[in-house]
Amino acid sequence: GNSVTQMEGPVTLSEEAFLTINCTYTATGYPSLFWYVQYPGEGLQLLLKATKADDKGSNKGFEATYRKETTSFHLEKGSVQVSDSAVYFCALKAARQLTFGSGTQLTVLP
Amino acid sequence: EPEVTQTPSHQVTQMGQEVILRCVPISNHLYFYWYRQILGQKVEFLVSFYNNEISEKSEIFDDQFSVERPDGSNFTLKIRSTKLEDSAMYFCASSSVVVAGHMDNQPQHFGDGTRLSIL
Repeated sequence: GNSVTQMEGPVTLSEEAFLTINCTYTATGYPSLFWYVQYPGEGLQLLLKATKADDKGSNKGFEATYRKETTSFHLEKGSVQVSDSAVYFCALKAARQLTFGSGTQLTVLP
Repeated sequence: EPEVTQTPSHQVTQMGQEVILRCVPISNHLYFYWYRQILGQKVEFLVSFYNNEISEKSEIFDDQFSVERPDGSNFTLKIRSTKLEDSAMYFCASSSVVVAGHMDNQPQHFGDGTRLSIL
């Protein structure tokens, strides 16, 4: 079946540090890949997506590239801010359902 | 920007009671979903709904669960006889449909969730 494996957290960084959150997947066919973010007390918000190999999704300074050869979709940001503190979920979509990773808690300190 | 809205934000129910969680999807969306997240665990798919019927469901979605679109705007999840292990955050989501067939690239938009606590 489909599965998503995410880097375990929590991750704590200083403001302006470089962020990488690793995500690898197992799927049949050609899924679409997503990163969702959950701020404290809120729901899941779509951060970025990629629908085919070598696509790069980007939003709010975050980027992730769909790597079919390594079945990965790592999330990166060059300079994090305190406001980026949240839980980040990697997900794949096959058919109509999303399969989520376990989430990575990010805390950015001033 | 259009949003998915869920009510209530927190529901406390006695074990064995029925509970209905409500969702208003984004108005021009045609696919609707329920997910749940037990505290400390992954977000898990429960069910998808299209054209007034269930299109997919997971093993979690047993006979105790049902979904309904009672009118043109609401989408509900009913748990018939709640158990302690039903305590979780329940998320509703919706997505649009692309006629060209690339359905998988349509993102699902989530509500803020309903925290269900079973006592």
